[in-house]
Amino acid sequence: ELVLTQSPDTLSLSPGETATLSCRASQSVISSSLAWYQLRPGQAPRLLIHGTSTRATGIPDRFSGSGSGTDFVLTINRLEPEDFAVYYCHRYGVHPPLLTFGGGTKLEIK
Amino acid sequence: QVHLQESGPGLVRPSETLSLTCTVSGGSVTDLCWSWVRLTAGRGLYWIGYVCNKGGSNYNPSLKSRVAMSVDTSKNQVSLTLSSVTAADTAMYFCARTRLGPASRYSYYYHMDVWGRGTTVTVSS
Repeated sequence: ELVLTQSPDTLSLSPGETATLSCRASQSVISSSLAWYQLRPGQAPRLLIHGTSTRATGIPDRFSGSGSGTDFVLTINRLEPEDFAVYYCHRYGVHPPLLTFGGGTKLEIK
Repeated sequence: QVHLQESGPGLVRPSETLSLTCTVSGGSVTDLCWSWVRLTAGRGLYWIGYVCNKGGSNYNPSLKSRVAMSVDTSKNQVSLTLSSVTAADTAMYFCARTRLGPASRYSYYYHMDVWGRGTTVTVSS
């Protein structure tokens, strides 16, 4: 069974800095099924990136996704106060048909 | 703008059945698929499954024997039932509009582009 490992567990940065979040798969992943989400307390989760690198509607270009095979990255440039949240990657596989989330990375203000 | 609102009992007794509803406003349940995901402090996000009005559903194998999802087009709602609940089912439950389809001969795309704010469910006697 595929496992997605996100690192680091917690990332402490200051506004204006760049965050680099990793999502590593235990086996090769088809890029079309790789997505990233942002969770803030009390708010609806927000789709950031789908298909590894396509920004969702309304997502600023400070957010970018990249990667292939087993290694995927979410980069957030010029961090703003509202970016401090928890981020999850996921992948949907066909055989078997199962969606798997990573364990999440908490981005906190330093 | 599509808005999703989850609703449910809040507290469910062990061994009973949890029933949640997701009401869709600003859009229709007929055209797309709908996922349920839950969040716990210890495990993070966990995919429960999806249902599509035009046919098709898929549930997480670990929950498959206890889960059912359906779409009610007359009420513009999506529902989730989870039977024989235990404390391990205590979580915040989210519904999400889902884009799902073939990306190539061997792969699918799957992403959830609109979410509700979730509803908290506690399983306790």
